[in-house]
Amino acid sequence: AAGVIQSPRHLIKEKRETATLKCYPIPRHDTVYWYQQGPGQDPQFLISFYEKMQSDKGSIPDRFSAQQFSDYHSELNMSSLELGDSALYFCASSFGGRGGFGELFFGEGSRLTVL
Amino acid sequence: LAKTTQPISMDSYEGQEVNITCSHNNIATNDYITWYQQFPSQGPRFIIQGYKTKVTNEVASLFIPADRKSSTLSLPRVSLSDTAVYYCLVGALGSGNTGKLIFGQGTTLQVKP
Repeated sequence: AAGVIQSPRHLIKEKRETATLKCYPIPRHDTVYWYQQGPGQDPQFLISFYEKMQSDKGSIPDRFSAQQFSDYHSELNMSSLELGDSALYFCASSFGGRGGFGELFFGEGSRLTVL
Repeated sequence: LAKTTQPISMDSYEGQEVNITCSHNNIATNDYITWYQQFPSQGPRFIIQGYKTKVTNEVASLFIPADRKSSTLSLPRVSLSDTAVYYCLVGALGSGNTGKLIFGQGTTLQVKP
């Protein structure tokens, strides 16, 4: 079965550079969530989208922005990168029609390293 | 949003039953309880979800008392491969209601031989 696809899997950037992470949800899933997980930490909710509209915001820095496109894939854009942005970034998708908070399917994550 | 509290860590031995309890004192009427498992450097994986009483699937059982202020994930006969972090999430079902799905501090389960 198709799973959530995240790209790139690994990314190395310098401080103050920009990075873009992409997430392709499971087909027919209309809801996307982004999480950031630092080393030894629990996943921190960043932002979510339902039917291409932003649904909720968590602890997402102003330097970050995200959107969900017409084909339901989502991109997380990060600018002015800082060392503290080094983390695993997970995307999850679900089928909102089922009821929003059901089973989330997570991708393998994108590991961002900021040097 | 209902805040959840879990033990930080637990140890067990292979073949034992493990019970992890999550407290969620301010759970709302529409909230469901969902548990996820996470291995290092992997995305969390859905284990089980319930609203009240008991739910069982092929990997775990979830016990929810009548007042729903806590829930217990039960893993029967754990093996070394069950060593992971376990998270309890509480949130509402509802069309388009994505909500801020917050992962609290999970429970690190260490299974020993």
